[in-house]
Amino acid sequence: QVQLQESGPGLVKPSETLSLTCTVSGGSISSYYWSWIRQPPGKGLEYVGYIYYSGTTDYNPSLKSRVTISVDTSKNQFSLKLSSVTTADTAIYYCAKGGGGIAANYWGQGTLVTVSS
Amino acid sequence: DIQMTQSPSSVSASVGDRVTITCRASQDISTWLAWYQQKPGKAPKLLIYSASSLQSGVPSRFSGSGSGTDFTLTISSLQPEDSATYYCQQAKSFPTFGQGTRLEIK
Repeated sequence: QVQLQESGPGLVKPSETLSLTCTVSGGSISSYYWSWIRQPPGKGLEYVGYIYYSGTTDYNPSLKSRVTISVDTSKNQFSLKLSSVTTADTAIYYCAKGGGGIAANYWGQGTLVTVSS
Repeated sequence: DIQMTQSPSSVSASVGDRVTITCRASQDISTWLAWYQQKPGKAPKLLIYSASSLQSGVPSRFSGSGSGTDFTLTISSLQPEDSATYYCQQAKSFPTFGQGTRLEIK
């Protein structure tokens, strides 16, 4: 059974960079797509972006200039960096297995990141 | 980008009722559609993929149908544990979600 766990700071200052890591256990990160999805408190879901294990990425057009997703197959981890954050980036950030044309069938528990000074 | 519109935004139904949630895409997405269930404080759970394929472990009372621009999630006999918010998501281009449908048990 694949399990995903998000980790990273829960508080980020405005204009700084949000950095999160997702550790995958119970299976290899190879040969699959992996995603970051976020949900502002009390609101709906938004895809941030996804990465194939080989490193190919696709990002939300509205966030593209600020987002970088990378993968470390040796550690079975993938990561999210979102630069120049504002309070609008405050959300629960989920990592998930899936992306591209593949539905997300495994999710992490989510981590709340608050952008505040 | 492809816009996804769900209706209704919220629905209240009784145990045993048949419930239908619809999702409309702003352009043809063939069957590149998934449905998720999210309970408060929890991550979403995949119910249906490819518009009508039931994810392993999901009860058979859940079903999906549609292709092109119009899709439906049906719960054939509503159970108390089905109280949740349901989201559709297209996967034809960069993924986008519908705004969600909150399902309440009367």
